[in-house]
This record gives sequence, structure tokens and C-alpha cells, in this order.
Amino acid sequence: TQLLEQSPQFLSIQEGENLTVYCNSSSVFSSLQWYRQEPGEGPVLLVTVVTGGEVKKLKRLTFQFGDARKDSSLHITAAQPGDTGLYLCAGFSGGSNYKLTFGKGTLLTVNP
Amino acid sequence: NAGVTQTPKFRVLKTGQSMTLLCAQDMNHEYMYWYRQDPGMGLRLIHYSVGEGTTAKGEVPDGYNVSRLKKQNFLLGLESAAPSQTSVYFCASSFHRGYNEQFFGPGTRLTVL
Repeated sequence: TQLLEQSPQFLSIQEGENLTVYCNSSSVFSSLQWYRQEPGEGPVLLVTVVTGGEVKKLKRLTFQFGDARKDSSLHITAAQPGDTGLYLCAGFSGGSNYKLTFGKGTLLTVNP
Repeated sequence: NAGVTQTPKFRVLKTGQSMTLLCAQDMNHEYMYWYRQDPGMGLRLIHYSVGEGTTAKGEVPDGYNVSRLKKQNFLLGLESAAPSQTSVYFCASSFHRGYNEQFFGPGTRLTVL
């Protein structure tokens, strides 16, 4: 069974601070996705990383896929209250597998 | 383009009652999924479908049934609701190729008393 562990589980910071959250597994994934979920809504896809070592930037968010394609990180620069939400990573094994493996998420609160 | 829609948004049931949750997508996606989300448990896959007329069991299928009679719709049924089925239910859909990037609906919050 493939598992994705996310850390930290909870994170509360002040506006303007930087932060990094992690997504780790002992399994190799062909790609990894990051979603953000706001209270009362469904998850929304932020980014997909595909190549080992790949770095993608989305404004103040930087996503990195580990060289061995077993882990990923999300770094937020100068966090804003609008970044508040549950950040989920999800791994895709590819091939004939139709399912994603989701981590349990990091709940981020950015205080003004 | 509405994306993925779910009805109803909220529902309260008594133990033993039945209900059907409806998911609809207008993106012509092949794959559709039903998840439940509980505190501390993350998203857990209940059932999924890889095409019209097909369904398969996910991680936690007991107590649920599904049907995909039309490509755009995926129904989740609870035949005899139990308090353990109190949860938030999400439907998602994705293309049949690529990285299986999923598009989620807004969720249905179900309480079973």
C-alpha cells in the first residue's frame, strides 16, 4: 500500500512569514499533485510535478519534486491570509492505475 | 462551464434511511470518483468509475453503492445509513490520460443521527 505522509499537520504563522510543508513517501510516483482546499469547498489543483528534481513556481508558491520522485515540498514566500487552507499532496503511479494516493494534508492558517 | 456539481449540499438522515447523492460533470471526463473526508483521516476513496457503465470499489466501499448510467453522472447511494457514514462527500472527475489531475465538486455534508 502506497502512503504519503505530510508534515507538519498544522501550521499557524503571521502574515509575511515564509513556510515549507513536506510530502514524503517510501514509494516512487510518476507524478505528484498539490491541491488547496478552502473551508467548505472541494480541493482545487495547484500544480503537477512530473520530473525528478523539477521545480515549479506559481507566484509566491514554489513546488519541488524530489530527485527520486518519492517526496515533494511546497514553499510559500511572504504568506498572506488568502493562503489559509488545507494543502494536500497526491501521488499518481501511472500506467493502468486509475487512482491517486492522497496525503492527509497540512492545515495552514495565516494570521493578519 | 459548471465543472463538477453535487446535490444536495447538506442532508440530515436518521439511521436506516436511504439516500442518493448526485454528481454531474460537463467536462466530458472519463473517470469519476467518490471520496469521503473525515477529520484526521484525509480523503478516502469509496468507489470510482473508469467509463460509462463501469464501477469499481475503492478503499472504503462497504455500505455504499454507485451507478454510472450516463458518462456525465455518477450516483452514490446509501441503502441504510449509519452514524459512521456521517462525513463530507466529494465527487471528482478526470481525463482518461495524462496525470489523472482531478477536478472536485463542492461537497455534500451528510449527518446521520
